[in-house]
Amino acid sequence: QKEVEQNSGPLSVPEGAIASLNCTYSDRVSQSFFWYRQYSGKSPELIMSIYSNGDKEDGRFTAQLNKASQYVSLLIRDSQPSDSATYLCAVNNRGGNNRKLIWGLGTSLAVNP
Amino acid sequence: DGGITQSPKYLFRKEGQNVTLSCEQNLNHDAMYWYRQDPGQGLRLIYYSQIVNDFQKGDIAEGYSVSREKKESFPLTVTSAQKNPTAFYLCASTPLGADLVFGSGTRLTVV
Repeated sequence: QKEVEQNSGPLSVPEGAIASLNCTYSDRVSQSFFWYRQYSGKSPELIMSIYSNGDKEDGRFTAQLNKASQYVSLLIRDSQPSDSATYLCAVNNRGGNNRKLIWGLGTSLAVNP
Repeated sequence: DGGITQSPKYLFRKEGQNVTLSCEQNLNHDAMYWYRQDPGQGLRLIYYSQIVNDFQKGDIAEGYSVSREKKESFPLTVTSAQKNPTAFYLCASTPLGADLVFGSGTRLTVV
């Protein structure tokens, strides 16, 4: 079983719709959770970080964490063509200062005009 | 502007040759990381360093070497022992305990 799993996609949604991206992880002691966006040929950029159960909202993005079920999701409201990218989920189970993350393979999102 | 600078953007290596990838940051970040990204394999950690003059191996350190003589700099050498070096190499940094910030990457190709 992979430590961090994501559906590879592609996930295709129409412009203006809600895109829902999911990530499951295997280590119950995981403490920090991150969503990065990566455009083709570019480096990842941080979208959201979440550390406690529940929802965290930032503009059109909402991260949801459920530690009991070991999943973290990212919702993108009012999806735009510029949101088309690969979304990487990363998990840190070491806590403290160590940012040695475990990465999923990413979900490809296509937002169609 | 503060940021992480990776150079070169594209690099071509001949068989049996060592090459060094540069990573410099002016963010005053303590920790620095090197990742390798291959299609379909996600990000894999090569080496990381949390303080000057100290670094640890990541998951795929074989065939690579690093140094951390200055807080701002964390160069990665791809040695001839790395048999399949063609990949996208990403350098990242962070203040201790904070979120990773990535440089723009170096794409290495063996010719």
